[in-house]
Amino acid sequence: KQEVTQIPAALSVPEGENLVLNCSFTDSAIYNLQWFRQDPGKGLTSLLLIQSSQREQTSGRLNASLDKSSGRSTLYIAASQPGDSATYLCAVINDYKLSFGAGTTVTVRA
Amino acid sequence: GAGVSQSPSNKVTEKGKDVELRCDPISGHTALYWYRQSLGQGLEFLIYFQGNSAPDKSGLPSDRFSAERTGGSVSTLTIQRTQQEDSAVYLCASSQQGAGANVLTFGAGSRLTVL
Repeated sequence: KQEVTQIPAALSVPEGENLVLNCSFTDSAIYNLQWFRQDPGKGLTSLLLIQSSQREQTSGRLNASLDKSSGRSTLYIAASQPGDSATYLCAVINDYKLSFGAGTTVTVRA
Repeated sequence: GAGVSQSPSNKVTEKGKDVELRCDPISGHTALYWYRQSLGQGLEFLIYFQGNSAPDKSGLPSDRFSAERTGGSVSTLTIQRTQQEDSAVYLCASSQQGAGANVLTFGAGSRLTVL
């Protein structure tokens, strides 16, 4: 059974700092990995999808890396803004099923 | 439609009553998923549809839970004789084919409260 762990569980930084969110998984036979953002009381918004053959994916201030052999992914958010405050979820896809981590709740202080 | 639509957005019910939650996926998406998010818990897989078939319903917690999908489109999750532990946000997602190579798009969820 795939186990996904996200560290830290919560993070508070001043505006402008870079954010580093970590995700680890136990079964490296994955198809891809997806990072999501969840705002309070809302659904999930997809941020980045990394295929298993890729090492990283970038979108604006977001960069996600994937090291399948070690079972790790890292999401970097550059120059954080208060609007980045949310819970960030990592999901690993084996075949068709997504296994989620518990998330990292980020607070960016103005 | 442009996104995944779920209804109702909020449902409060009494213990023992039946509830139906609806999901309208993105047009053309053949794969549809139901997940549950309980307070303080991660997202829990419930069921996966490919077209109208459910090749994996292993996450349904008990036989009080059932789901169907018709016309390869709308899906309904039914919870019979609701219990307080069923209180959670039920999230639906869809993707083109399976999620193996495609981005999963989630709806806003249906928040169920069982009194």
